[in-house]
Amino acid sequence: RKEVEQDPGPFNVPEGATVAFNCTYSNSASQSFFWYRQDCRKEPKLLMSVYSSGNEDGRFTAQLNRASQYISLLIRDSKLSDSATYLCVVNIGNYGQNFVFGPGTRLSVLP
Amino acid sequence: DGGITQSPKYLFRKEGQNVTLSCEQNLNHDAMYWYRQDPGQGLRLIYYSQIVNDFQKGDIAEGYSVSREKKESFPLTVTSAQKNPTAFYLCASSIWVGQSNQPQHFGDGTRLSIL
Repeated sequence: RKEVEQDPGPFNVPEGATVAFNCTYSNSASQSFFWYRQDCRKEPKLLMSVYSSGNEDGRFTAQLNRASQYISLLIRDSKLSDSATYLCVVNIGNYGQNFVFGPGTRLSVLP
Repeated sequence: DGGITQSPKYLFRKEGQNVTLSCEQNLNHDAMYWYRQDPGQGLRLIYYSQIVNDFQKGDIAEGYSVSREKKESFPLTVTSAQKNPTAFYLCASSIWVGQSNQPQHFGDGTRLSIL
């Protein structure tokens, strides 16, 4: 089982739709969680950290379920500019290879 | 502005040649990382360094070498032993490992191709 798993998609949704991505992780000692966005042929950029109580940033909502070891990202009112690959990243807190990346979920928002 | 600078943006390597990719950060981060990304694939860790003068192999270190002589700099050399070097190379940094709630920050990458 991979350490961090995501549905690769692609998710093709119309503008204005609500879309949700899930990510599961295998290491129960994981300490912190992040969602990154990566545009085609660009570097990953931090979208938001994920806090235990859940958090929201505009149209984006992230949630964490430690008991089931998954995190989610909800995008409301999708825009064309939201088209990208969304990477789930887990910090397992060890000294060393502490950041573990999921393979990413590709989103295409269609006009 | 604080950030991570990678250079060059594009690099071409001849057969049998070693090339070095530069990564500099002014974020005062302790940890630095090199990743490789192939088209349509996820990030794979090549090397990482948590402190100056120390670095460790990641998942795909063969054919690569690094140094960490200064906190700000973590250059990656792609040696002739790396038979399939064509990829997008990303450098990242993060604050010290004890503060694990801090994310990584990425440079804008170097695209390496074989001539």
